[in-house]
Amino acid sequence: SAVISQKPSRDICQRGTSLTIQCQVDSQVTMMFWYRQQPGQSLTLIATANQGSEATYESGFVIDKFPISRPNLTFSTLTVSNMSPEDSSIYLCSVEGGGYGYTFGSGTRLTVV
Amino acid sequence: GENVEQHPSTLSVQEGDSAVIKCTYSDSASNYFPWYKQELGKGPQLIIDIRSNVGEKKDQRIAVTLNKTAKHFSLHITETQPEDSAVYFCAANRGSTLGRLYFGRGTQLTVWP
Repeated sequence: SAVISQKPSRDICQRGTSLTIQCQVDSQVTMMFWYRQQPGQSLTLIATANQGSEATYESGFVIDKFPISRPNLTFSTLTVSNMSPEDSSIYLCSVEGGGYGYTFGSGTRLTVV
Repeated sequence: GENVEQHPSTLSVQEGDSAVIKCTYSDSASNYFPWYKQELGKGPQLIIDIRSNVGEKKDQRIAVTLNKTAKHFSLHITETQPEDSAVYFCAANRGSTLGRLYFGRGTQLTVWP
């Protein structure tokens, strides 16, 4: 199955600033998924990112707040923009591992103060 | 869209006992049902999955059963150990292995020694 390296693992940020989260996969994958997990909650899909096209956002998430880049088949970034305390969550990237199921990164624990 | 319900939200068992977590789904087109284990501070880890052409799958102490007619699937953990303590999520994939996952709300399993 695919192995994902996600950075940073955690960060504490000031409100109004932005944070970019990186995901690197050890193999080429068609789709990458970005999720948010609020404290004690389940996973909520933010967007699906295909290489070479605009990301597809779920209801309640917009590109201006969560811009995504997908420059190649092994890498993607998610930016959390103009942060507020309500953005404090764990952010996770995920890929479909070519018949081996969906693999998740270790997550980025974001605290906005 | 797909709706996945998961019960119970918390489950406490004595070491050595069995644990069962149940999920239902709404979309008859869903055909892939993974289970994830999430330990504190980590990303979800795939522990077992089942596809709609199979009724049961077992991997050592873990098994998953699927009833397509009733649209429910269950996770069974036998001979539980304290290290099984974690949050467990069920999920469903709607139609395509390259599509998104829909997650249940999670079950906090605690195994007491």
